Amino acid sequence: DGGITQSPKYLFRKEGQNVTLSCEQNLNHDAMYWYRQDPGQGLRLIYYSQIVNDFQKGDIAEGYSVSREKKESFPLTVTSAQKNPTAFYLCASSTVGNYGYTFGSGTRLTVV
Amino acid sequence: GESVGLHLPTLSVQEGDNSIINCAYSNSASDYFIWYKQESGKGPQFIIDIRSNMDKRQGQRVTVLLNKTVKHLSLQIAATQPGDSAVYFCAENKGGTSGSARQLTFGSGTQLTVLP
Repeated sequence: DGGITQSPKYLFRKEGQNVTLSCEQNLNHDAMYWYRQDPGQGLRLIYYSQIVNDFQKGDIAEGYSVSREKKESFPLTVTSAQKNPTAFYLCASSTVGNYGYTFGSGTRLTVV
Repeated sequence: GESVGLHLPTLSVQEGDNSIINCAYSNSASDYFIWYKQESGKGPQFIIDIRSNMDKRQGQRVTVLLNKTVKHLSLQIAATQPGDSAVYFCAENKGGTSGSARQLTFGSGTQLTVLP
């Protein structure tokens, strides 16, 4: 079955650590996105990528980094510069001409 | 800045009744709107979409209405069932994007609770 896989489902980070969230899709979608969701709030765009080796900052990119070395993969690194990283992170993808996103099941990141 | 907002953060309905979830948007350039359903601890799932050249679109038990004059969007769920309990988000296409990526702006969501 085609879809988006995010891992891990739960992640704990110590202060000052960098952590990487995985996002893989087998939908052959060109575009991929990372969103952050805080309790009781909507989704906020962190980064997006339209093609391999290209990505753009979203509304809240500070403290995050991404790479797009393969069409199927769009990992997100939460760096120590992100002061409030505890949140639910969602990865999504879309194809040319289709406005709708397909979302992964999310990764819940907690700072301990 | 542009934003998408919801009138009510929570909505409780009796099982079998119809539900109406509202959404206001402010970007007059938005040309595409989507409703998503998000169950606890899961990613959002597509429910229904509508383009700005339409006023109404129907799916299975769901209807989306678009009123461009007042920039208002609503989702109607017929014969609400316990499985409909979730957070519902509206999203609008952020105008001006090009290429394969489509930036969506999401509202804060409405928690729908179906009462037995």
